[in-house]
Amino acid sequence: SQQGEEDPQALSIQEGENATMNCSYKTSINNLQWYRQNSGRGLVHLILIRSNEREKHSGRLRVTLDTSKKSSSLLITASRAADTASYFCATDPYSGGGADGLTFGKGTHLIIQP
Amino acid sequence: IAGITQAPTSQILAAGRRMTLRCTQDMRHNAMYWYRQDLGLGLRLIHYSNTAGTTGKGEVPDGYSVSRANTDDFPLTLASAVPSQTSVYFCASSAKFSGGAYNEQFFGPGTRLTVL
Repeated sequence: SQQGEEDPQALSIQEGENATMNCSYKTSINNLQWYRQNSGRGLVHLILIRSNEREKHSGRLRVTLDTSKKSSSLLITASRAADTASYFCATDPYSGGGADGLTFGKGTHLIIQP
Repeated sequence: IAGITQAPTSQILAAGRRMTLRCTQDMRHNAMYWYRQDLGLGLRLIHYSNTAGTTGKGEVPDGYSVSRANTDDFPLTLASAVPSQTSVYFCASSAKFSGGAYNEQFFGPGTRLTVL
């Protein structure tokens, strides 16, 4: 079953605008990660936020984490055409040292209109 | 080699045939994974390996087997392919923290498999 669920499923904005995607999850986590996938390619890691962090920045990316609401958001500022891709959140569920790997959501497809 | 490579890039396979998807990484990561990606379903974990010599089942392991004879290679085998195994398969690796938490995963380019 999917741990993370992204919202919205699809998002289309104008170049230069900000894009916000949300992720909700169900169980306690060690960390939450965001990935980008360009059409037909493998996933690329964007940013990792640990369960004891609330906000993290990387270039034009800003990620927030609210463990009380079990939710995260990814903000891309000043969007560019090259940001067109699918974005996935992935959770590392806390399992006492168990080794189940990351659980991915279904993704948000972002289209940046020139 | 830089990162993770997968082979073949794509394959069309008759149902009932045996197929092995290859995955090799040169980053000396201890953990490796196989996912399948289907439209509308995101990525689902098939099998994983935390270290050479050990493997584990993910969310959708039925019909698949893996082995981890060494750190670098993590082949995925379909013993008798069925049409429902038509998918894009991604291999990934990561450096797993000693405390159990997972670090970022690095993905291969994928193998597009069609089972007829």
